[in-house]
Amino acid sequence: GAVVSQHPSRVICKSGTSVKIECRSLDFQATTMFWYRQFPKQSLMLMATSNEGSKATYEQGVEKDKFLINHASLTLSTLTVTSAHPEDSSFYICSARGGGAGELFFGEGSRLTVL
Amino acid sequence: AQSVAQPEDQVNVAEGNPLTVKCTYSVSGNPYLFWYVQYPNRGLQFLLKYITGDNLVKGSYGFEAEFNKSQTSFHLKKPSALVSDSALYFCAVREEGDYKLSFGAGTTVTVRA
Repeated sequence: GAVVSQHPSRVICKSGTSVKIECRSLDFQATTMFWYRQFPKQSLMLMATSNEGSKATYEQGVEKDKFLINHASLTLSTLTVTSAHPEDSSFYICSARGGGAGELFFGEGSRLTVL
Repeated sequence: AQSVAQPEDQVNVAEGNPLTVKCTYSVSGNPYLFWYVQYPNRGLQFLLKYITGDNLVKGSYGFEAEFNKSQTSFHLKKPSALVSDSALYFCAVREEGDYKLSFGAGTTVTVRA
């Protein structure tokens, strides 16, 4: 099946710094990628939809200036958490739409810890 | 609007016994239904999906699910559970033509030896 790679898998940063998480589709072109946030033992909450070459569409309640999303190519989307604070600590998961049926494939997730 | 309900936070079964994880959904159009499994600190692994066709869908690792339109349900089943099936299971739905998935709250499955 199609592979989606996320990097880094774990990141620890100091409060006030910015962190970038990459989501790559390794063997297919992804016109659309989705970014989710997951709190411990909770479900995935959709943060934004990222379309190649255009601005991301954010879900209600998600700060677009806080969570910057860039989808510069058909195989790469990045999520940058700007001026991170401890409450931004979470598990972030991306998914990519691709393949013949346009199905969704998920990355392994990135755990962000803000000290 | 679309939504998914997983009424059980936890399901506990003995190894070798049947396993059922419940899911009901709500969509305004034709539903596309999915089951995913998540192990600690990992992403989601696809188990199976229902798009159209036979109501009984067979997926990975011996899992299957039955689509029931009248009851708007898509319960996940495995005839004989393994300890390695212990994980967090998510049911998800999207409408035809829309790739935004809505997830249920998740059900933690524990299979005891």
